[in-house]
Amino acid sequence: GAVVSQHPSRVICKSGTSVKIECRSLDFQATTMFWYRQFPKQSLMLMATSNEGSKATYEQGVEKDKFLINHASLTLSTLTVTSAHPEDSSFYICSAKSGGATDTQYFGPGTRLTVL
Amino acid sequence: GIQVEQSPPDLILQEGANSTLRCNFSDSVNNLQWFHQNPWGQLINLFYIPSGTKQNGRLSATTVATERYSLLYISSSQTTDSGVYFCAVWETGGFKTIFGAGTRLFVKA
Repeated sequence: GAVVSQHPSRVICKSGTSVKIECRSLDFQATTMFWYRQFPKQSLMLMATSNEGSKATYEQGVEKDKFLINHASLTLSTLTVTSAHPEDSSFYICSAKSGGATDTQYFGPGTRLTVL
Repeated sequence: GIQVEQSPPDLILQEGANSTLRCNFSDSVNNLQWFHQNPWGQLINLFYIPSGTKQNGRLSATTVATERYSLLYISSSQTTDSGVYFCAVWETGGFKTIFGAGTRLFVKA
């Protein structure tokens, strides 16, 4: 199956710093990428959807100025958590689709962010 | 929006046992996928199954789209099957995947 990579897999940072997470589709072109957040023992919560070359569409309640998403190419999307605080600590997962609604969605391995 | 409900929420099995996980959804869908999230957090695609039946080794899945449910069967369970199983759907005319709350499975040796 298709492969989606994420980097870094784990990051620890101090409160107030910014953290960038990269998501790459390795063997297919991702017209749409998704960013999810997952708290312990909970399901995945969609944060935003991005299409290559367009501004991301954020879900209700997600601060777009705090979670900056850039989908610069058909194989790369980045999520930047700006001025991170301890409450931003979570497991962040990216996902990618090559086509429309009927296409399979593939997930990256996730990034565990800890803000001290 | 569409609602996705999974049952049971938690399941404990003895190694070798069989199980059935259920996913109900409240509206028509273009896409339904089953995932297994392993203890490290990686989501593994099990099935893409908007309708019909598929099998892959000890796992099989059936989706009855007209009745708005899908079933995931695990036969001869192994300890490595432990983790969380998610059902996720793409609502017809929608723009995103909606996840169920998951079924947390623990297989005892």
